[in-house]
Amino acid sequence: ILNVEQSPQSLHVQEGDSTNFTCSFPSSNFYALHWYRWETAKSPEALFVMTLNGDEKKKGRISATLNTKEGYSYLYIKGSQPEDSATYLCASPIQGAQKLVFGQGTRLTINP
Amino acid sequence: DAGITQSPRYKITETGRQVTLMCHQTWSHSYMFWYRQDLGHGLRLIYYSAAADITDKGEVPDGYVVSRSKTENFPLTLESATRSQTSVYFCASSGSVEGYTFGSGTRLTVV
Repeated sequence: ILNVEQSPQSLHVQEGDSTNFTCSFPSSNFYALHWYRWETAKSPEALFVMTLNGDEKKKGRISATLNTKEGYSYLYIKGSQPEDSATYLCASPIQGAQKLVFGQGTRLTINP
Repeated sequence: DAGITQSPRYKITETGRQVTLMCHQTWSHSYMFWYRQDLGHGLRLIYYSAAADITDKGEVPDGYVVSRSKTENFPLTLESATRSQTSVYFCASSGSVEGYTFGSGTRLTVV
């Protein structure tokens, strides 16, 4: 089973501060890396799907980078806002398949 | 409405009963998935389907049955519910590279 690990498990950040967290995955047989945002009492929503080493994706104040050779991805949030409070999941599919294996998530809380 | 819908949103059932959770998507996505959310385990894959009449086991398939006679529907059946199957169940679909689209979830309690 592919192991996808996220750190830290939880994070408290002051409003206006920037933050980042990590997703690590096996670098061999890499296929893709997904990031999802999951607000409490809602369902996960796709943020990014990244496939190439060195990929950088951006959506508003949120961006992500990918290093497939060393097996990690960073998610960055610039100027955190209370609405950024959520659990951020990363996931990677088993090679050649659509089955995603999810990390346990980083729970982000923005303090006003 | 376009999208992926799960029903029911909430269900309480007794140990030993059979219960079916429904999932319907309107995009004609090839792939559909069932995950369960558990504390300490995150999202774990129960079953998935690559197309109509093609299903396969995920990480935690025991006690569950799926079928996919039509592309748009992917029901999950608990054959004889146990307390350990109390969880929130998420259905998802995927067409290609955009990532999964999740349903709203079904909160199942087995008493």
